[in-house]
Amino acid sequence: DSGVTQTPKHLITATGQRVTLRCSPRSGDLSVYWYQQSLDQGLQFLIQYYNGEERAKGNILERFSAQQFPDLHSELNLSSLELGDSALYFCASSVLGQGASPLHFGNGTRLTVT
Amino acid sequence: SQKIEQNSEALNIQEGKTATLTCNYTNYSPAYLQWYRQDPGRGPVFLLLIRENEKEKRKERLKVTFDTTLKQSLFHITASQPADSATYLCALDPFSGGYNKLIFGAGTRLAVHP
Repeated sequence: DSGVTQTPKHLITATGQRVTLRCSPRSGDLSVYWYQQSLDQGLQFLIQYYNGEERAKGNILERFSAQQFPDLHSELNLSSLELGDSALYFCASSVLGQGASPLHFGNGTRLTVT
Repeated sequence: SQKIEQNSEALNIQEGKTATLTCNYTNYSPAYLQWYRQDPGRGPVFLLLIRENEKEKRKERLKVTFDTTLKQSLFHITASQPADSATYLCALDPFSGGYNKLIFGAGTRLAVHP
């Protein structure tokens, strides 16, 4: 068990809808990362937060947004959903937000857009 | 362009043999490289980290090498077991000591047969 908790485990929704994915990092970790994994793309970095502040951004769509709250949990909001957004969304955490810090991943939220 | 390449074809080996997985990268100069294991439907699990000034790192039956001249890392599992069957991902931080924004390769699936 990595100590990173993601909810919900599965989410099925329709195109055009908006969903929120939630992540609780490992105790003591200050940095949270979001990754998207689809069959044809592999793990794609979306965004990183450190102690409540955005640190780094990947190829995150404008329809997607995230935040990290004072208690360090994070939420990823996906809006105007399209079929292509169907994927596994992983949250990871690390102690530090820089340097050679291993990432600890949750088991993901599987999003299906119909 | 910047790329991380891992063998896309599955690696099939016999139990007891050594598995060797390759990670090549282009147009990066990472200060370190990480290896993760991912089982189907689960989040990646951190295995090993190797820094640019380390030629080799070992952990139990695992060994990683890092050749910054060849821009390549090799991941070895000795005395492989069926339980080692999984997808193995390499990852690096393209900004060398920046915000730990890890970029992942697509992974190599390893199947160890009894």
